[in-house]
Amino acid sequence: EAGVAQSPRYKIIEKRQSVAFWCNPISGHATLYWYQQILGQGPKLLIQFQNNGVVDDSQLPKDRFSAERLKGVDSTLKIQPAKLEDSAVYLCASSSLAGVFHEQYFGPGTRLTVT
Amino acid sequence: AQSVAQPEDQVNVAEGNPLTVKCTYSVSGNPYLFWYVQYPNRGLQFLLKYITGDNLVKGSYGFEAEFNKSQTSFHLKKPSALVSDSALYFCAVRDVRGSYIPTFGRGTSLIVHP
Repeated sequence: EAGVAQSPRYKIIEKRQSVAFWCNPISGHATLYWYQQILGQGPKLLIQFQNNGVVDDSQLPKDRFSAERLKGVDSTLKIQPAKLEDSAVYLCASSSLAGVFHEQYFGPGTRLTVT
Repeated sequence: AQSVAQPEDQVNVAEGNPLTVKCTYSVSGNPYLFWYVQYPNRGLQFLLKYITGDNLVKGSYGFEAEFNKSQTSFHLKKPSALVSDSALYFCAVRDVRGSYIPTFGRGTSLIVHP
């Protein structure tokens, strides 16, 4: 089966600019996650969707980050305006169910550099 | 709050020797524990998980992990390391009764020398 797809793979922007990332989960996976992975750290959950509803966004900086999953399939994560500290790899993951014991399948990530 | 610690930034082992990558956790309830591996320029891949039952869990690529409740540990092991096992390994925990947020460790770089 096809894996989790993400685009773009790399993005370089200047601070205060806007950027958007796209994710297409594994077909049939109802749960979708966005993570931020800063160099030298483990992934940090930003937001979790179950179908097109938000399960948890407690760690999402809502003043500049937003995410949506309108039709319960693809998702976009947006940063507006970007700051230098947003430089990181943004990972999308999906799982078949929302339960805490289900493993996640990760995409290759988008490496964002903010200059 | 739940947390995960991977005390070693890097583990070096010779090919053919056994390897251990350490992980300890802290949760308020019972833990669900996971190991993921990240190869260069690729996303994380699931290796194995502990939910309940047998404390020794077997996973992909010959890896296994032992859940130790008294020591709150979930160390990753492999009897005989391969050069191709060289990668970044992440331990993660989810609390059955606490936050649904999965918490990842900082990662441990495993280097297997020929």
